[in-house]
Amino acid sequence: AQSVTQLDSQVPVFEEAPVELRCNYSSSVSVYLFWYVQYPNQGLQLLLKYLSGSTLVKGINGFEAEFNKSQTSFHLRKPSVHISDTAEYFCAVNRASGGYNKLIFGAGTRLAVHP
Amino acid sequence: DTAVSQTPKYLVTQMGNDKSIKCEQNLGHDTMYWYKQDSKKFLKIMFSYNNKELIINETVPNRFSPKSPDKAHLNLHINSLELGDSAVYFCASSQGVASGGTDTQYFGPGTRLTVL
Repeated sequence: AQSVTQLDSQVPVFEEAPVELRCNYSSSVSVYLFWYVQYPNQGLQLLLKYLSGSTLVKGINGFEAEFNKSQTSFHLRKPSVHISDTAEYFCAVNRASGGYNKLIFGAGTRLAVHP
Repeated sequence: DTAVSQTPKYLVTQMGNDKSIKCEQNLGHDTMYWYKQDSKKFLKIMFSYNNKELIINETVPNRFSPKSPDKAHLNLHINSLELGDSAVYFCASSQGVASGGTDTQYFGPGTRLTVL
């Protein structure tokens, strides 16, 4: 069964510094992987997703992620963060369920950007 | 134009009451979902409907009953509310099951339910 582990519950970082949010997945079949962002008091919004093809995926707001099949990882990166990137970030994997698909989310990583 | 909307945004109620949360999407999607986000931000799917048909029903107490009058609406009714039901409930929608799990889910702003 597919599952997702986000290795850091909180990541503090200074403005303009680079950041990496780590995500590992477990799956015995092909996977689709997603990163969603949740700004304070809002719903989730898709940052990027990996379906197939190039392992480096570029998303919105300058974020990118790299799919690494051998390490079963899908880490999210940004070379220079802004205060406005402060949010909760969720990694997710699809799981087949009774002929349908559902998203399984990690526990989330709180990114706190400090001036 | 709000893509996925939920009402109410906040809901405070007493234990034992019955309450409903409404969700509407104007994206023309076939599939809708209900998620529960607990106080530790953990997000878990509860139900999913495709074109008004229930397709995913996780291990949720039967006090929770979803209803989809049409494919643009998915409501959640909760009977006999308990303290542990306090959470943020998110509605979401996506293109449909034919995508094979590749499509993006679009989330509503959430309903914060507090049971006293």
